[in-house]
Amino acid sequence: QQQVKQSPQSLIVQKGGISIINCAYENTAFDYFPWYQQFPGKGPALLIAIRPDVSEKKEGRFTISFNKSAKQFSLHIMDSQPGDSATYFCAASRRGSSNTGKLIFGQGTTLQVKP
Amino acid sequence: DGGITQSPKYLFRKEGQNVTLSCEQNLNHDAMYWYRQDPGQGLRLIYYSQIVNDFQKGDIAEGYSVSREKKESFPLTVTSAQKNPTAFYLCASSLRDSYNEQFFGPGTRLTVL
Repeated sequence: QQQVKQSPQSLIVQKGGISIINCAYENTAFDYFPWYQQFPGKGPALLIAIRPDVSEKKEGRFTISFNKSAKQFSLHIMDSQPGDSATYFCAASRRGSSNTGKLIFGQGTTLQVKP
Repeated sequence: DGGITQSPKYLFRKEGQNVTLSCEQNLNHDAMYWYRQDPGQGLRLIYYSQIVNDFQKGDIAEGYSVSREKKESFPLTVTSAQKNPTAFYLCASSLRDSYNEQFFGPGTRLTVL
């Protein structure tokens, strides 16, 4: 119940295309879903996050779509650029009275954007 | 500049030796975390601390130890009891009232020879 499953493991997209990464979770108590971007040899950086009271959140070229009934959420990168080439992690956690800050991470997706 | 620093960037250890990884933050964050990253496995939580002088085990605490004597520091010791310590170790921190928005350091790559 604590798992977050992420797919695909790797993704190759042409410059200007749309990159889509999917995640699924089991624990319905999760109420915070961030996406992190990590470049080789660096620590992950928070990219965008969503809470389940909205179905979509957009920041620039990055959009999170959230489907509460299906327990799935996805990251869409519009107009993908070579500089977007990185590893992307989805995560989930539960806030509330017993909030411990524990993020459950997906396995990661390595994105390569070809020029 | 505010941020999280980890040192060293690369660390080599002989089998049977303990080694300590440093993590310092000047963001005035209350909570700090240690993660281990292995290829294809995402990030796994080792230990976390919400306040000074208190910490809890994460999902893979065996073979590791931590201390939290100061708000800005959360060192991780990889002991000889850790069977497969070669990995990329990441430290993170967050505000007390925003636990889930974690900010990560640059990482330490530990290799056991």
